[in-house]
Amino acid sequence: AQSVTQLDSQVPVFEEAPVELRCNYSSSVSVYLFWYVQYPNQGLQLLLKYLSGSTLVKGINGFEAEFNKSQTSFHLRKPSVHISDTAEYFCAVMGQGGSEKLVFGKGTKLTVNP
Amino acid sequence: DSGVTQTPKHLITATGQRVTLRCSPRSGDLSVYWYQQSLDQGLQFLIQYYNGEERAKGNILERFSAQQFPDLHSELNLSSLELGDSALYFCASSAPGTAFYGYTFGSGTRLTVV
Repeated sequence: AQSVTQLDSQVPVFEEAPVELRCNYSSSVSVYLFWYVQYPNQGLQLLLKYLSGSTLVKGINGFEAEFNKSQTSFHLRKPSVHISDTAEYFCAVMGQGGSEKLVFGKGTKLTVNP
Repeated sequence: DSGVTQTPKHLITATGQRVTLRCSPRSGDLSVYWYQQSLDQGLQFLIQYYNGEERAKGNILERFSAQQFPDLHSELNLSSLELGDSALYFCASSAPGTAFYGYTFGSGTRLTVV
């Protein structure tokens, strides 16, 4: 079974500042890793994913994430945030070779202030 | 528009009642996944159907049931509703063999039980 821990439930930042949203996972098998974003009153949109290969993955809207196997982490970063990045961000994991179930973390609410 | 359609968008009903939530997957997708999002539990996997057959089951209560029809749309039936069933219910879909690329989510049905 897999589990995901998002260490910060809320992250306030100022516009144009860098941000890092932290995610750690637990799994007895190799995993695929994902970040989804949920804007207010909307569904979840895939930001980026790690399947294999390069540990640094780039996604939409200038976000990137780095997979660290030894630390079982998949932190999301953006060098300069905009007001429009205000949303809830979810880290998710799927075990390889088995169930197609996505297991989500509890989410991190990112608030970008002017 | 993600291509995954969920109806209705909002539903208000009384305790003890029964409701049906509907999901139409993206064209070509055979898998449908149902998730419940609540403030205390976060995003919880309920059930997956693949081409009409149940493929995986998660934390789905016995009062809840689902099915996928020959035209691939899916329905989630919630009965004997309790206040604690108030939540956002998401449907997602994926094409055969592509779940590890990440699902496509609908915009959700917000259920309020009063």
